[in-house]
Amino acid sequence: EAGVTQFPSHSVIEKGQTVTLRCDPISGHDNLYWYRRVMGKEIKFLLHFVKESKQDESGMPNNRFLAERTGGTYSTLKVQPAELEDSGVYFCASSPLAGVQGETQYFGPGTRLLVL
Amino acid sequence: GNSVTQMEGPVTLSEEAFLTINCTYTATGYPSLFWYVQYPGEGLQLLLKATKADDKGSNKGFEATYRKETTSFHLEKGSVQVSDSAVYFCALRGNNFNKFYFGSGTKLNVKP
Repeated sequence: EAGVTQFPSHSVIEKGQTVTLRCDPISGHDNLYWYRRVMGKEIKFLLHFVKESKQDESGMPNNRFLAERTGGTYSTLKVQPAELEDSGVYFCASSPLAGVQGETQYFGPGTRLLVL
Repeated sequence: GNSVTQMEGPVTLSEEAFLTINCTYTATGYPSLFWYVQYPGEGLQLLLKATKADDKGSNKGFEATYRKETTSFHLEKGSVQVSDSAVYFCALRGNNFNKFYFGSGTKLNVKP
């Protein structure tokens, strides 16, 4: 069974440009999460999809970030326009269930974003 | 609110040394606790977990015990190997059972 995949693995862009990150969850997982690790600090939650609906987007830093999950399969996270502080590693995770104590989330390898 | 604090790294050990990575948490209610590991070039992998007080999670020689009285979930291994070199993240999942709260990660370097 394929794991969570993310594309691209690395992205280097200039301030003001747009970048779109993609996440393909494990097949059949209704729950999809985005997280971010900035400057070697803690990994922080961005948002949670249940199928195509946004369940919780309390971690989205500002309106330059737009996440979509059309059709409830893969998800994209667009940053427009990118700023220097957006640099970091963006992780995607998926799980088959939500609201279950101890339920594991399966993480992708992350996308390393560098904004110059 | 929910938060996790773990010891800063890097931690450098010789092969076969004893490992402890400290993790403490703040949470309302009764969270589930996790350790994830990230090997070089790979994604986060679940290492072990515990869902209630006094539970012990274990995997690949690693252990951690959920201590409610000290709000801790320290990771231990009796004899580390070079292949254990990685970044270790402590995490909790709160009452809403959805999003995770992670610590800042501890990088472990094991030398032969």
